[in-house]
Amino acid sequence: QSVLTQPPSASGTPGQRVTISCSGSKSNIGTHLVYWYQQLPGTAPKLLIDGNNQRPSGVPDRFSASKSDTSASLAISGLRSEDEANYHCAAWDDSLGGRVFGGGTKLTVL
Amino acid sequence: EVQLVESGGGLVQPGGSLRLSCGAYGFSFRDHYMDWVRQAPGKGLEWVGRITNKAARYTTNYAASVKGRFTISRDDSKNLLFLQMNSLYVEDTAVYYCARDTALGPDYWGQGTRVIVSS
Repeated sequence: QSVLTQPPSASGTPGQRVTISCSGSKSNIGTHLVYWYQQLPGTAPKLLIDGNNQRPSGVPDRFSASKSDTSASLAISGLRSEDEANYHCAAWDDSLGGRVFGGGTKLTVL
Repeated sequence: EVQLVESGGGLVQPGGSLRLSCGAYGFSFRDHYMDWVRQAPGKGLEWVGRITNKAARYTTNYAASVKGRFTISRDDSKNLLFLQMNSLYVEDTAVYYCARDTALGPDYWGQGTRVIVSS
């Protein structure tokens, strides 16, 4: 059971906009920065959105993130087949004294 | 170019020990906090622990699931990060990643090294 809650799956058709939620609590998302990772099959996670909601160099501007209170979300617009991957949110947690991750969301492009 | 390269994974029996290494290239390793994160087969990411830099006194934090069994250390003179794993359980089977920590979250990750705990 992950501390941050993500839907296990999401899907969309090419060109669509999809959002992936990440729900936490005051001790993590409510207090600390949230960051998002993309993990393509068989590869290591790659930083997609940093804690300032900025995209590292090379990440398309189709990806964006936001945070409100104890929840965060990742939005992908203009969905493409190469976006099919697992997406993970993460944040520091004061109660646990460590970093916590969501369970990951598997995005399928139909 | 920032690169992190893990090594040391393999097959170990329950109760055994293993030491993972992570070589850091292309950045000032000594200045950064460093994380270990693992991913069990078919599961999500699980934070294992973190070590701070010298300025923060090489402080370590661990996930409850590994505290007392795993130890993170570093050798700044060799740009190396270590994860000493003792009293291994079957449930520790996973791909182990090292990651460079920043104020905005871990940014660069290694390719991972696979650890299998099985009799």
